[in-house]
Amino acid sequence: NAGVMQNPRHLVRRRGQEARLRCSPMKGHSHVYWYRQLPEEGLKFMVYLQKENIIDESGMPKERFSAEFPKEGPSILRIQQVVRGDSAAYFCASSPIGQGQGEQYFGPGTRLTVT
Amino acid sequence: AQSVTQLDSQVPVFEEAPVELRCNYSSSVSVYLFWYVQYPNQGLQLLLKYLSGSTLVKSINGFEAEFNKSQTSFHLRKPSVHISDTAEYFCAVSVTGNQFYFGTGTSLTVIP
Repeated sequence: NAGVMQNPRHLVRRRGQEARLRCSPMKGHSHVYWYRQLPEEGLKFMVYLQKENIIDESGMPKERFSAEFPKEGPSILRIQQVVRGDSAAYFCASSPIGQGQGEQYFGPGTRLTVT
Repeated sequence: AQSVTQLDSQVPVFEEAPVELRCNYSSSVSVYLFWYVQYPNQGLQLLLKYLSGSTLVKSINGFEAEFNKSQTSFHLRKPSVHISDTAEYFCAVSVTGNQFYFGTGTSLTVIP
């Protein structure tokens, strides 16, 4: 059973470009979470999605950031018009259907660098 | 709202010495508690978790943590550390079991 997969592992964007980060959850998992980790800081929750639904986006910046988890395919975290402050590691995690006592399974992360 | 505090940002310790990484949380309701470990340039891996039952939980590689409800703590301990234990350790709390709140992490460095 493959783990959570994220790609790309490293992404370099110039200011003003768009960044698109992909996450494929573990097989059988329909809950996906995105986190951001800034240097010297812990993980900050961004958004929680189930298939075709955003359940909790309380951690998402109001502008430029969006996330989706379509019926088919990976979850996408999209950052429009990136700025230097968006440079961080972005982690995706998944959990099985209905596991209320979740443990979350994390991917290796995408390290975004904005130049 | 829930919050997690890891007071020690960096903990250096000599090989084979004991170590304790502290974690305190704030919540007015019952919580689930987790410790995750992150090795350089990797994602987080679950180390151990407390959901219910015995307040002392153990991992397969010698770590243990004890849930103390009165002190709202979930400190991580190991009686004898190895070089391979050098990593970043994150404490996390969950109420619903879905959204996690993470501490800022403790960097454990084991010195030969």
